[in-house]
Amino acid sequence: KQEVTQIPAALSVPEGENLVLNCSFTDSAIYNLQWFRQDPGKGLTSLLLIQSSQREQTSGRLNASLDKSSGRSTLYIAASQPGDSATYLCAVRITGNQFYFGTGTSLTVIP
Amino acid sequence: DTAVSQTPKYLVTQMGNDKSIKCEQNLGHDTMYWYKQDSKKFLKIMFSYNNKELIINETVPNRFSPKSPDKAHLNLHINSLELGDSAVYFCASSRDKGMFFGPGTRLTVL
Repeated sequence: KQEVTQIPAALSVPEGENLVLNCSFTDSAIYNLQWFRQDPGKGLTSLLLIQSSQREQTSGRLNASLDKSSGRSTLYIAASQPGDSATYLCAVRITGNQFYFGTGTSLTVIP
Repeated sequence: DTAVSQTPKYLVTQMGNDKSIKCEQNLGHDTMYWYKQDSKKFLKIMFSYNNKELIINETVPNRFSPKSPDKAHLNLHINSLELGDSAVYFCASSRDKGMFFGPGTRLTVL
């Protein structure tokens, strides 16, 4: 069964710093991988989607990479801002419309 | 404009009551889901429907019963609510372009 792990569970950085969030999965037979952001008391907002044939996707200050062979994805956030503070979750999709979520990384950007 | 909507946003009720949460998506997606997020923020799949047919039914108490009247709707009915049912319940839908979530329903059982 697919297992998705996110390390660290919590991260605190000063404003302006570049940072990397990690996502690991045990079975490389994935359809795609998606990164989400969840603000306290809110739903999940999709940030980036990487298809299994892709290596990376970029949106503004965010860059997500995918290495299927090693079962890893990273979310790079450039020039972090206090508004980036949230919990970030990754999810892998396997066949049959099944998604497996990581436990999330809680990010705090200190002004 | 809302892609995936849920009602109600908050639900506070007594133990033993029966309640329903409604979900609608206007994205034209074929697959809809119900997830439960516990106090530790872990998202656990409960059910998945594809074109109104149940395709995923994880181990949840049979007090939980999903109903999909059409592709755009997936409702969740809960009988005999228990304290441990308190959580945030998220509806989601998906197609090739990934998964989209509703805003969540915070259920509190007293």
